[in-house]
Amino acid sequence: EDQVTQSPEALRLQEGESSSLNCSYTVSGLRGLFWYRQDPGKGPEFLFTLYSAGEEKEKERLKATLTKKESFLHITAPKPEDSATYLCAPPPEAAGNKLTFGGGTRVLVKP
Amino acid sequence: GAGVSQSPSNKVTEKGKDVELRCDPISGHTALYWYRQSLGQGLEFLIYFQGNSAPDKSGLPSDRFSAERTGGSVSTLTIQRTQQEDSAVYLCASSPKGDGNYGYTFGSGTRLTVV
Repeated sequence: EDQVTQSPEALRLQEGESSSLNCSYTVSGLRGLFWYRQDPGKGPEFLFTLYSAGEEKEKERLKATLTKKESFLHITAPKPEDSATYLCAPPPEAAGNKLTFGGGTRVLVKP
Repeated sequence: GAGVSQSPSNKVTEKGKDVELRCDPISGHTALYWYRQSLGQGLEFLIYFQGNSAPDKSGLPSDRFSAERTGGSVSTLTIQRTQQEDSAVYLCASSPKGDGNYGYTFGSGTRLTVV
C-alpha cells in the first residue's frame, strides 16, 4: 500500500515570505500525484494533477513539481488567503480504489 | 448538481442513537467515496462505491457502520449505536468513471458530534 508523508506538519509564514512544502511517497511505480487544498470547515479542493517526473503545474502563487519519489508545492510571495491545509495523494493503485492522503501541511500566512 | 452535496451539515446526537448521513454526488459521477476526518487528523478512507456496488469497504471501522448507494447516485452512511469516538467530520467525494485518472470532488462534510 502507498505510504505518503508530508512535511513540515505546520508552516507559519509572513506575507510575501516564499516557502516549499514536501510530499514524499513509496508507490508501486510512479503514477503521478494529486494536490488538494482544505480550508477550515470545508472539504478538500482539488488543485493539481501531476502525471510524470519533471512535470510542473502552476496556479496563481502555487507551483507544484514532481520527481520520481517526491513532490514539492512552492508558495511564492504568499498572501493570508493562502492559509489552508495542503494535502497530497498518489492516484489509486487500481481503477477506482481509494486515494491515500498524506497528513497534510497546515500553512498560516500572517499579514 | 454543480457540486457534491452533503446533509446535514451538522449533527449532534446522543450516545447510543443511530444517525444517517447523506451524500448527493455530482450528476454522472459513477465513483463515490466516504472519508472520515477526526479533529486535527488526516483523512481516513471508509468505503468506495462504483455504481451501486461497494468493491472496497475496508475502511469501515466496525459493524456499526454501513453504507448504501441507490440509483448510482445518492449514498447514505449509517452509524448505529453511536459512540463518542465516532465524533468527526464525514466527507463524501465523487469522481467520474472511477478510473483513477481524475481527482475527487469533495462535499463540505457532515460534522457529527456524539454527546
